[in-house]
Amino acid sequence: NAGVTQTPKFQVLKTGQSMTLQCAQDMNHNSMYWYRQDPGMGLRLIYYSASEGTTDKGEVPNGYNVSRLNKREFSLRLESAAPSQTSVYFCASRQDAQGVGISYEQYFGPGTRLTVT
Amino acid sequence: RKEVEQDPGPFNVPEGATVAFNCTYSNSASQSFFWYRQDCRKEPKLLMSVYSSGNEDGRFTAQLNRASQYISLLIRDSKLSDSATYLCVVNPNTGGFKTIFGAGTRLFVKA
Repeated sequence: NAGVTQTPKFQVLKTGQSMTLQCAQDMNHNSMYWYRQDPGMGLRLIYYSASEGTTDKGEVPNGYNVSRLNKREFSLRLESAAPSQTSVYFCASRQDAQGVGISYEQYFGPGTRLTVT
Repeated sequence: RKEVEQDPGPFNVPEGATVAFNCTYSNSASQSFFWYRQDCRKEPKLLMSVYSSGNEDGRFTAQLNRASQYISLLIRDSKLSDSATYLCVVNPNTGGFKTIFGAGTRLFVKA
């Protein structure tokens, strides 16, 4: 199993450009998440998807859109990049199965380092 | 006040030392708690869950104090490989989707 994969690993954008960050998981997890991590701020939730077909805003959703394409894939789109969106972006997934032995552990992808100039 | 607060450190300790980190949380109704480890320029990974009764995993011990709203992580016999950032993580509701991450405490273990 590859776990959670993200593409690209690095990206430099000019202000106003758009791009989509891709995320996929092969663990059959139900929920998926997008976070950004800035120095001294910790991980902040941008959007999450509790299950296929649903998405919800997190703490810092402004300037972003998401798509839960299917159970495996959850993409994050920046429509008009701004320097304030320079950050490291992590995608994560979680099992959330019903029944005994539910795991609330989040599994993270390797991250995308985005710079907006 | 931040929802989850940690001492950013860094903590600089020699090999073999015992080091403890504390983390406070503001939501008294929070249900589940974790410690994650993050190596430099890598993704966070679960170190251990924190149970009400406290739990131990080898050299690592985690404790929860609901009355004072803090969790702690104790590392005994520190190894060079323990050098990392330790993230305190709180779920306001068990199974809830809006997990809150602390900013992390950096640990450097030196030979």
